[in-house]
Amino acid sequence: ETGVTQTPRHLVMGMTNKKSLKCEQHLGHNAMYWYKQSAKKPLELMFVYSLEERVENNSVPSRFSPECPNSSHLFLHLHTLQPEDSALYLCASSQDQGADYGYTFGSGTRLTVV
Amino acid sequence: GEDVEQSLFLSVREGDSSVINCTYTDSSSTYLYWYKQEPGAGLQLLTYIFSNMDMKQDQRLTVLLNKKDKHLSLRIADTQTGDSAIYFCASASGSARQLTFGSGTQLTVLP
Repeated sequence: ETGVTQTPRHLVMGMTNKKSLKCEQHLGHNAMYWYKQSAKKPLELMFVYSLEERVENNSVPSRFSPECPNSSHLFLHLHTLQPEDSALYLCASSQDQGADYGYTFGSGTRLTVV
Repeated sequence: GEDVEQSLFLSVREGDSSVINCTYTDSSSTYLYWYKQEPGAGLQLLTYIFSNMDMKQDQRLTVLLNKKDKHLSLRIADTQTGDSAIYFCASASGSARQLTFGSGTQLTVLP
C-alpha cells in the first residue's frame, strides 16, 4: 500500500445511480486532490482541498461533488453520470498545497458508467 | 497555464538504456518530477529535480534538466522488463506550485 488507499478499486454504475468514491491517507498530509485519468488524455485535476477547505474546482460538472470531512479522508460523490465520465479516478495527497516533494497517489478507482 | 509535453511511445531492448523526454513551458517551474504508472495502479513518484540543478542520479535513473530549453529527460540504464510502464513528467509551477502532468510515455521493453 502506498499510504493513500482508495475504495472501491472498480465500480460499474448506471447513469441514474448515486455512488461515492473514498480516499484515505495516513501520511499526515494536509492537502488532498482528485484527478481524472482518461485514455490518451493528460491527467485532469478536478478538485484540491487544503486544510479541509476546497481551494480549487477546475470547472468540473456538478454531477461530481467532493467532500473532505477531515484531513485524512476525501470523498467524491457521483450522481447522474454520463458514459464519458468512465475513467480512472485518482486521489493524491501532499504536505501543504505546494508540490515541492511530490504528491502521493492512491491506486485509483476504475469507474465504468453504463 | 503550464503545458507539459511528452512523446507517447518508446520501445527499447532489455539491457539497453531508455531515454524519455519532456518539455514544459513555465520558466518559473520550481520542481520537476518523474512518475511511473504500472497497469492497474496509481502513479508512483520515481524521482524529482529542483530547478537549480542540472542533473540528478539515483541508481539506474539519471535526470537531466536543461532549464534554458525547458527540457527534462529521464534515462534508465540497463532497462529491464519490469520497467515497462507509463512514465509521466510533471512540473510544479504557479503560486500554488500545483502539479501539471504530461500525457505520459508508454515504455515497452522488448526481450
